[in-house]
Amino acid sequence: EDQVTQSPEALRLQEGESSSLNCSYTVSGLRGLFWYRQDPGKGPEFLFTLYSAGEEKEKERLKATLTKKESFLHITAPKPEDSATYLCAVQAVSGGSYIPTFGRGTSLIVHP
Amino acid sequence: DVKVTQSSRYLVKRTGEKVFLECVQDMDHENMFWYRQDPGLGLRLIYFSYDVKMKEKGDIPEGYSVSREKKERFSLILESASTNQTSMYLCASSSASTEAFFGQGTRLTVV
Repeated sequence: EDQVTQSPEALRLQEGESSSLNCSYTVSGLRGLFWYRQDPGKGPEFLFTLYSAGEEKEKERLKATLTKKESFLHITAPKPEDSATYLCAVQAVSGGSYIPTFGRGTSLIVHP
Repeated sequence: DVKVTQSSRYLVKRTGEKVFLECVQDMDHENMFWYRQDPGLGLRLIYFSYDVKMKEKGDIPEGYSVSREKKERFSLILESASTNQTSMYLCASSSASTEAFFGQGTRLTVV
């Protein structure tokens, strides 16, 4: 069974204080790993897809990296508007199903 | 840009009512999903559809059914709403093995 564990559950940062969110996964074969941002009361917004170990993607203050067992979402010099819940999901190669498995998310609060 | 549109942002229904949640996507995606999201429990898959008229049960299908008569539209039906179905409902769509795109969510309250 595919599993995704995100840590920490919650993270409080001061504006400008860089940090990383972790997504550990167990899948039979990784087809893709996805990061989303979710604001309160809204649907998740897609950020990145990573396909293979060593791959990196960047967008503004966010950088996602991937190894064979985990992914990190690095947040550099965060601003209050980066406050949100960040979700990680994996999609396995096995079978014909394309159902992603989601972690429970990391709730990030950035204080001014 | 991909657009997934859910018919309502907020709904209040009475216990025992039949409730329809509608979702439309405009990107010709094969796959469509219905999730519910509750604090501390994350996203839980209710039903998944990979083609018109095709569906698969997710992790928590009890008390729900779905309909996909057209490729762009995926409906979630609560046969007889109960208070424990009060939740945020999220629809998503994807093409084959690519990332899923979500709608804005429907906050359903059953009283």
